[in-house]
Amino acid sequence: QKEVEQNSGPLSVPEGAIASLNCTYSDRGSQSFFWYRQYSGKSPELIMFIYSNGDKEDGRFTAQLNKASQYVSLLIRDSQPSDSATYLCAVYSGNTGKLIFGQGTTLQVKP
Amino acid sequence: GAVVSQHPSRVICKSGTSVKIECRSLDFQATTMFWYRQFPKQSLMLMATSNEGSKATYEQGVEKDKFLINHASLTLSTLTVTSAHPEDSSFYICSARTGTGYTYSNQPQHFGDGTRLSIL
Repeated sequence: QKEVEQNSGPLSVPEGAIASLNCTYSDRGSQSFFWYRQYSGKSPELIMFIYSNGDKEDGRFTAQLNKASQYVSLLIRDSQPSDSATYLCAVYSGNTGKLIFGQGTTLQVKP
Repeated sequence: GAVVSQHPSRVICKSGTSVKIECRSLDFQATTMFWYRQFPKQSLMLMATSNEGSKATYEQGVEKDKFLINHASLTLSTLTVTSAHPEDSSFYICSARTGTGYTYSNQPQHFGDGTRLSIL
């Protein structure tokens, strides 16, 4: 089992729809969870981070965390073509302090 | 805030050349910096972790004599790829984080723009 798992996609949504990106993690000791966006050929860009169970909203983005289910998700409302990118879920390992990345989910927003 | 600058953005050089990549935190002090490598269509691979004023910690399989890391100040870390060969061609990305010890878990890593290294 991978430490951080994401569906590689591609996830295709029409412009204006809600995109839902999901991530599961294996380390129950993890305390910090991050979503990064990476455009093709570019480096990752931090979008959201969440530490507590529940929802955290920032503009069109909402991160959701459920530690009991070891599940973290990212919702993108009113998706735009410019949101088309690979979204990386990352979790700090409780044991090593290293940031563990999922493989990423490719999102395609079609006009 | 939390801007990380990485230079150069692209390097093309001959086999056997040594290449130095700089990573600077512009508006915060980075007690810890990280170096990653990413091959096309693959996820980020952590190469090493460097803490200011101490030796870098390398991941298993990463040659420390090949990839020299120096973190001499709270705002600068460098990665030198020594005697580079075509198989070293990749996208190298640094990141920086504040916080030490148990405070690390609350601090995001902020990434530089990356350096695309091509060895001919």
